[in-house]
Amino acid sequence: AQSVTQLDSQVPVFEEAPVELRCNYSSSVSVYLFWYVQYPNQGLQLLLKYLSGSTLVKGINGFEAEFNKSQTSFHLRKPSVHISDTAEYFCAVSDPVGGGKLIFGQGTELSVKP
Amino acid sequence: DAGVIQSPRHEVTEMGQEVTLRCKPISGHDYLFWYRQTMMRGLELLIYFNNNVPIDDSGMPEDRFSAKMPNASFSTLKIQPSEPRDSAVYFCATSGLSYEQYFGPGTRLTVT
Repeated sequence: AQSVTQLDSQVPVFEEAPVELRCNYSSSVSVYLFWYVQYPNQGLQLLLKYLSGSTLVKGINGFEAEFNKSQTSFHLRKPSVHISDTAEYFCAVSDPVGGGKLIFGQGTELSVKP
Repeated sequence: DAGVIQSPRHEVTEMGQEVTLRCKPISGHDYLFWYRQTMMRGLELLIYFNNNVPIDDSGMPEDRFSAKMPNASFSTLKIQPSEPRDSAVYFCATSGLSYEQYFGPGTRLTVT
């Protein structure tokens, strides 16, 4: 069965500092990978996705992620964060058996401090 | 497109009452998902549909929960009778041919 592990439940960081949110998955087959962001009192919004091709994926709001097949990781990075990036971030992997279904990690709460 | 529409946005009800949550998917999307989010359990998939047919309802907590999708434009999640432990934010999400899911704003349910 597939699973997603977000290695940090909370990540505090100062404004303008770089940040990396870690995500590892387990799967015996090829997968699609996603990062979603959830701002307070809102639904989840897609940040970026990896379906195929280049392993470095760029998303909205200056975020990027790198797919590493050998390490089964899909870490999210941003070189300089803003206060407005404070939110919960979810990593997700497709379930090829589940047709359209995503397996979500438990989320990482990013807190950007001034 | 207006995106995924959910109603109501907030619902407060008393234990034992019936609650119906509604979702209008993005036009053309074949998949519809119902999720529940709580602090304790995080984001849980309750049930999902493909072309209006329920595919996997293994996440539905118990018989008090039921979901329907009578047509491609509408889905409901019903809880009868409701209990305080059902208090959560319920999200509807839809997707098309890709796996990319679009989430609605959610319904915040409080059962007293």
